[in-house]
Amino acid sequence: NAGVTQTPKFQVLKTGQSMTLQCAQDMNHNSMYWYRQDPGMGLRLIYYSASEGTTDKGEVPNGYNVSRLNKREFSLRLESAAPSQTSVYFCASSEAGEAFFGPGTRLTVL
Amino acid sequence: KQEVTQIPAALSVPEGENLVLNCSFTDSAIYNLQWFRQDPGKGLTSLLLIQSSQREQTSGRLNASLDKSSGRSTLYIAASQPGDSATYLCAVERGGYNKLIFGAGTRLAVHP
Repeated sequence: NAGVTQTPKFQVLKTGQSMTLQCAQDMNHNSMYWYRQDPGMGLRLIYYSASEGTTDKGEVPNGYNVSRLNKREFSLRLESAAPSQTSVYFCASSEAGEAFFGPGTRLTVL
Repeated sequence: KQEVTQIPAALSVPEGENLVLNCSFTDSAIYNLQWFRQDPGKGLTSLLLIQSSQREQTSGRLNASLDKSSGRSTLYIAASQPGDSATYLCAVERGGYNKLIFGAGTRLAVHP
């Protein structure tokens, strides 16, 4: 039982490049989330998916897109990376009010 | 807009002390409150979940209380150990779907 897994663990991009962050959970949870963590600002919600086939914007969605591929997988895509998107990205899933987080992806945009 | 504040931002204590971490939120209409632990460079580990109908939860040396009317939660750590050194985050859920709003965290250092 791996919980929530994320790939890659680290990534360096140049401004304008695109990439997709992958997330999967094996707990059969309906809800999944993408957060970003920046120093001094805590974690902020980018997008969430309440169930398979649905996605909604969170607090800071600009510059991102998401896909809920199936119940297990929820991906985050940066179409044209900007230095302001340098951050640590966390995926999470939840059930019955309790959230579980992945180990994070550390992204640097030069 | 819901805001979550954690005080203190950092705390350094000798091993064995009992300590209290504070979390306050501006909107009392919350569903759940969850406490997490984060080790450097790692993800978040869920410690305690307090659902809206509950007032406290306990797990081992940890006890968390919730007072919705005053907009406060406290995390009590008994007999602190060096292994408790980490950042502790509280998060409140508002608006359903378990969307969490986080505080900035309290960085705890327990020295031998």
